[in-house]
Amino acid sequence: EPEVTQTPSHQVTQMGQEVILRCVPISNHLYFYWYRQILGQKVEFLVSFYNNEISEKSEIFDDQFSVERPDGSNFTLKIRSTKLEDSAMYFCASRPTAPNEKLFFGSGTQLSVL
Amino acid sequence: GDSVTQMEGPVTLSEEAFLTINCTYTATGYPSLFWYVQYPGEGLQLLLKATKADDKGSNKGFEATYRKETTSFHLEKGSVQVSDSAVYFCALHPSGNTPLVFGKGTRLSVIA
Repeated sequence: EPEVTQTPSHQVTQMGQEVILRCVPISNHLYFYWYRQILGQKVEFLVSFYNNEISEKSEIFDDQFSVERPDGSNFTLKIRSTKLEDSAMYFCASRPTAPNEKLFFGSGTQLSVL
Repeated sequence: GDSVTQMEGPVTLSEEAFLTINCTYTATGYPSLFWYVQYPGEGLQLLLKATKADDKGSNKGFEATYRKETTSFHLEKGSVQVSDSAVYFCALHPSGNTPLVFGKGTRLSVIA
């Protein structure tokens, strides 16, 4: 079965540094998402992306966050100036079209901000 | 707003034991309901889903029934295996293109 690929699997950074988390969604999918899970808490929606623009974003997704699909295959999440509270597992997901079709998730990037 | 509450883990069971992981939800309208599973080192995978009241989703021996009257979608399996050890997430999809809303996840450990 095709899969969503995320890199790196672990990222350690210093507070205030910029990080870019990378995702390669499944090739014929049209909707892309980022979720995150802080240890012991719920999986939280960050942002959805469709037709080369953000379609929805949560309150968490403030000016420090941005997403890009630079080349038609990669889908990146950038955090400009990381904070300690950004430490979490970040999941990328994609789906083909219809809203009730299942999301395909990547295995996640564990971000640790020191 | 829409939310999902699932039982706290971790849950530890012996092989062949009966499993129930409770999930209740709060939503306006008629959401679709899902169980996702995350095996160690892997991403979340859809386990089963139900799109309307009284639907039963099933897969790999797991079942869950969409109960509108109790706003619940409890996950059950009659006889768990060691390979079922994973984190299980209950989720709802409100409507349209709105994103999934997840619960906190319940870690299941099955011992031989």
